[in-house]
Amino acid sequence: SSELTQDPAVSVALGQTVRITCQGDSLRSYYASWYQQKPGQAPVLVIYGKNNRPSGIPDRFSGSSSGNTASLTITGAQAEDEADYYCNSRDSSFRFGGGTKLTVL
Amino acid sequence: QVQLQESGPGLVKPSQTLSLTCTVSGGSISSGSYYWSWIRQPAGKGLEWIGRIYTSGSTNYNPSLKSRVTISVDTSKNQFSLKLSSVTAADTAVYYCARGDYGDYVYWFDPWGQGTLVTVSS
Repeated sequence: SSELTQDPAVSVALGQTVRITCQGDSLRSYYASWYQQKPGQAPVLVIYGKNNRPSGIPDRFSGSSSGNTASLTITGAQAEDEADYYCNSRDSSFRFGGGTKLTVL
Repeated sequence: QVQLQESGPGLVKPSQTLSLTCTVSGGSISSGSYYWSWIRQPAGKGLEWIGRIYTSGSTNYNPSLKSRVTISVDTSKNQFSLKLSSVTAADTAVYYCARGDYGDYVYWFDPWGQGTLVTVSS
């Protein structure tokens, strides 16, 4: 399948670790990029490639990949991390996952 | 740092053509090997890539929209534009422009514009 599949919702206790996953055949050929989107705001790139963070993104955000699955891990989740997270990859086109709504309890 | 800003009508009638422009500031649209993309998001839904353009003029479009989309670039104005023809209510969305980049087996979009809401309604 050329689609990217994400769990619709995930929750994590404050200060704990959470993993958000993205599955799709294109991830066997390309790494994912990950975007954080807070309500009413534009998406922001948080991870790209094997495990690259843009300047200004906290180091509690990390990425990994295995087979057809890419993962975004937040180690020590903070209240401000509550947001929607989207993965993206390339096949014949560019595709986004359906998004995961992260709730920090 | 580079910033992007979308502009254009917020209301378009059904069957007409949606036209948006993205103005790039803080750097030249022609510098580097970036590509420039349009991405949209209907209210309460996920992101959909529309297409991209290189400053050479080379374009790629989402196959599901290809027949209705045209993306162009004006390097003299540091702008790129989107035209989407024959719009329907299903095209109502927030439209974002974004700069694209790539590395070893990875592509990404950064930065993004703030987005502009386009409503298709009579």
